[in-house]
Amino acid sequence: QSALTQPASVSGSPGQSITISCTGTSSDVGGYNYVSWYQQHPGKAPKLMIYDVSNRPSGVSNRFSGSKSGNTASLTISGLQAEDEADYYCNSYTSSNTYVFGTGTKVTVL
Amino acid sequence: EVQLVESGGGLIQPGGSLRLSCAASGFTVSSNYMSWVRQAPGKGLEWVSVIYSGGSTYYADSVKGRFTISRDNSKNTLYLQMNSLRAEDTAVYYCARGYSLVLPFDYWGQGTLVTVSS
Repeated sequence: QSALTQPASVSGSPGQSITISCTGTSSDVGGYNYVSWYQQHPGKAPKLMIYDVSNRPSGVSNRFSGSKSGNTASLTISGLQAEDEADYYCNSYTSSNTYVFGTGTKVTVL
Repeated sequence: EVQLVESGGGLIQPGGSLRLSCAASGFTVSSNYMSWVRQAPGKGLEWVSVIYSGGSTYYADSVKGRFTISRDNSKNTLYLQMNSLRAEDTAVYYCARGYSLVLPFDYWGQGTLVTVSS
């Protein structure tokens, strides 16, 4: 159950777009469309941002979008805003009937 | 309104046991997927365990054989019994509601801190 691989940090200026990758294997990300993304501000509980690879829950800005190709999923934040500065984690269901999170990415708004 | 409130965390010596609770409101625990997720200080999220609506349970390798997830339908509460605790189990423990494999963690509690130290 190795953690999915994410870049440690990504940064961008307000208004720009950034993309966070999440790389797994054919036993998790590549094998299922059960990929979700979570935003976590310091000292707070995680918040669901994307589920089912590319679906947004009600109330989440359409600036957030998700996609997947092979063993890699991606989260794109367009029109970057100061409030988007947070940690982001991907998650996938696995062939062992378990779940695995990504290593986490710190997004900095310059 | 969906709410999840964890309790039961604290300071415990290595080798000790602790039971965490997660009181739910606004939905029925037994009708949903319920998970525990932990986060060590300054570290990332780690999935711990899930109990499905049908009662099946699964665990991360790091806790298998030491932790047990359960629920009390009459109290609408989720539990995590943690035995043989180790220093590396120190973390904030979150309970999370899921709706399906597609939507595993749609609501989260505020977390409860477990510190394993002598």
